Amino acid sequence: KAGVTQTPRYLIKTRGQQVTLSCSPISGHRSVSWYQQTPGQGLQFLFEYFSETQRNKGNFPGRFSGRQFSNSRSEMNVSTLELGDSALYLCASSRDQRSGGLLDLYNEQFFGPGTRLTVL
Amino acid sequence: GIQVEQSPPDLILQEGANSTLRCNFSDSVNNLQWFHQNPWGQLINLFYIPSGTKQNGRLSATTVATERYSLLYISSSQTTDSGVYFCAVVRPGTASKLTFGTGTRLQVTL
Repeated sequence: KAGVTQTPRYLIKTRGQQVTLSCSPISGHRSVSWYQQTPGQGLQFLFEYFSETQRNKGNFPGRFSGRQFSNSRSEMNVSTLELGDSALYLCASSRDQRSGGLLDLYNEQFFGPGTRLTVL
Repeated sequence: GIQVEQSPPDLILQEGANSTLRCNFSDSVNNLQWFHQNPWGQLINLFYIPSGTKQNGRLSATTVATERYSLLYISSSQTTDSGVYFCAVVRPGTASKLTFGTGTRLQVTL
């Protein structure tokens, strides 16, 4: 079974531009989450999508947005790029398996290789 | 929000040595995962372990949810074990949101 894929793997942009990153989850996984990793802030949660709906959102400005398509693929967009947006962006997918009304019963997450964004 | 602390922050071992990495969390969790981040940035799943003990080859992990900690054991370390190890947890009711610790950077030397 193929893993989580992310495109592009590397990206160089200039301040003020916008960027779109793509993530294809593992087949059968319905939840897709995005994380930002920087040396100063570590790994931080951006948002999570499930069945084309944003289910959870981290503490990031509105310049960061995302969406999920009916095939569970997800994109995230960053508008008006700033130097501080330079980071490794990681996407994760999970099966989001629930049973008997229990939440979070089995939700192991698997990460893609990441997109390394450099803003000049 | 929940706090996740990992110790030690840095660890240097000689090949063949054993080590224990610790993850403390400040509140109850539904899920806990251990990851190894390779030099290219990819997070590799090691364990999905909300509670109990699991073993996979030279690695094993134990989570004591009631006492809010988890341990990752690496035995007979190899140079390929070098990298950063992260613990990440999910609070109840937060769907799939992982909160990561700051990581333990491990260097295994010959």
